[in-house]
Amino acid sequence: EVQLVESGGGLVQPGGSLRLSCVASGFTLSSYSMNWVRQAPGKGLEWVSYISSAGSSIYYADSVKGRFTISRDKFRNSLYLQMDSLRDEDTAVYYCARAVTMVGNDYWGQGALVTVSS
Amino acid sequence: QSALTQPASVSGSPGQSITISCTGTTSDVGGYNYVSWYQQHPGKAPKLMIYDVSNRPSGVSNRFSGSKSGNTASLTISGLQAEDEAAYYCSSYSFSSTPVVFGGGTKLTVL
Repeated sequence: EVQLVESGGGLVQPGGSLRLSCVASGFTLSSYSMNWVRQAPGKGLEWVSYISSAGSSIYYADSVKGRFTISRDKFRNSLYLQMDSLRDEDTAVYYCARAVTMVGNDYWGQGALVTVSS
Repeated sequence: QSALTQPASVSGSPGQSITISCTGTTSDVGGYNYVSWYQQHPGKAPKLMIYDVSNRPSGVSNRFSGSKSGNTASLTISGLQAEDEAAYYCSSYSFSSTPVVFGGGTKLTVL
């Protein structure tokens, strides 16, 4: 059974850092492209970042470019999102998702809540 | 403000058909056949319903169908059922500095 489990969310002050993890089971994460998508409380979905299966293509939303870094560890079958210089507007539930196409995600994690507040 | 425009809400009675539109530009919806649709129930993760404009993932009911004309993509749900009540989001590839964009979401109410 395919599963994605995020962890690492929590409360952080503006300007702080946090690292989200997404552990995959039931498939080999490095064989698939992956996305991070977030959802602010009561708001819609916002795409954050993409990494291709080969790792050769990485993209970020303008809103996080230069502050967030996506990475992958094939030995741990895990995806990561390093988030630095966090802002109030980064407060959201962050989902990792397996991509069947760049915009088509067939499996999603349960989400990790990140709250940026002083 | 979302890159793709969706109606905030639509409604229909059980058994009826409804269509949700998703309007973009030639740089996204109109320029590529990379449009996906997601269903999201409150407190749950999104579920992929349609990808590449009109393809259904395995396990998704054939009551859900997708299409595109010009810069507007559409999701049609036929034979509405109570469990279809949810928020629906479209997403498209975009030839821009942010290559994946979402619509603002449409709340479907089954009357």
